[in-house]
Amino acid sequence: QSALTQPASVSGSPGQSITISCTGTSTDIGSYNFVSWYQHHPGKAPKLMIFEVNKQSAGVSNRFSASKSDNTASLTISGLQAEDEADYYCCSFAGYGTLIFGGGTKLTVL
Amino acid sequence: EVQLLESGGGLVQPGGSLRLSCAASGFTFSSYAMNWVRQAPGKGLEWVSSISGSGDNIYYTDSVKGRFTISRDNSKNTLYLQMNSLSAEDTAVYYCAKGAYNWNPWIDYWGQGTLLTVSS
Repeated sequence: QSALTQPASVSGSPGQSITISCTGTSTDIGSYNFVSWYQHHPGKAPKLMIFEVNKQSAGVSNRFSASKSDNTASLTISGLQAEDEADYYCCSFAGYGTLIFGGGTKLTVL
Repeated sequence: EVQLLESGGGLVQPGGSLRLSCAASGFTFSSYAMNWVRQAPGKGLEWVSSISGSGDNIYYTDSVKGRFTISRDNSKNTLYLQMNSLSAEDTAVYYCAKGAYNWNPWIDYWGQGTLLTVSS
């Protein structure tokens, strides 16, 4: 399977909002409400931010929200902060025990 | 607190083999699916393989089928990845990652990763 499609990079100024899209197919995102999002600071362990399309993981700021429509999922970060600068990955359950990740989006806080 | 500690990475020649290990703690290991996810230099995350809590259900991404073998020892709370016929394309940081449930709908915890370099 091909990776889910994400923009390579997005940027925003502190306090602004950004949205990262994640496009899959009818066999992954379109078939299951098991889209998750991960924040990854290079050199560190990735961190679960969102699961089941729009549920925040414990301890995650409510500035992070997400949604899904058909084969596309989206992550929105509002009130951007410098600490949000990281790589973000979407992931979808793809049947049985398999997962598929997006190519990743580098968020730059200007 | 969930902890996942990978080990076993290193430098291997093309065609060689290596086994990665992941020591897990802080949860009932046998009740959850486990995964290996890798990140090649400058690339994104790639799911490699998963195994159910009992070890009965195993899945691989196409590029490693027939070369990699995932396994687990629930008595030792340890996950393994045996990698054979390695090539430069397998060079990556390999992460051990815990599935949210036994059937692995998403990953909820990750290890820090171990680096595998395949080079002559």
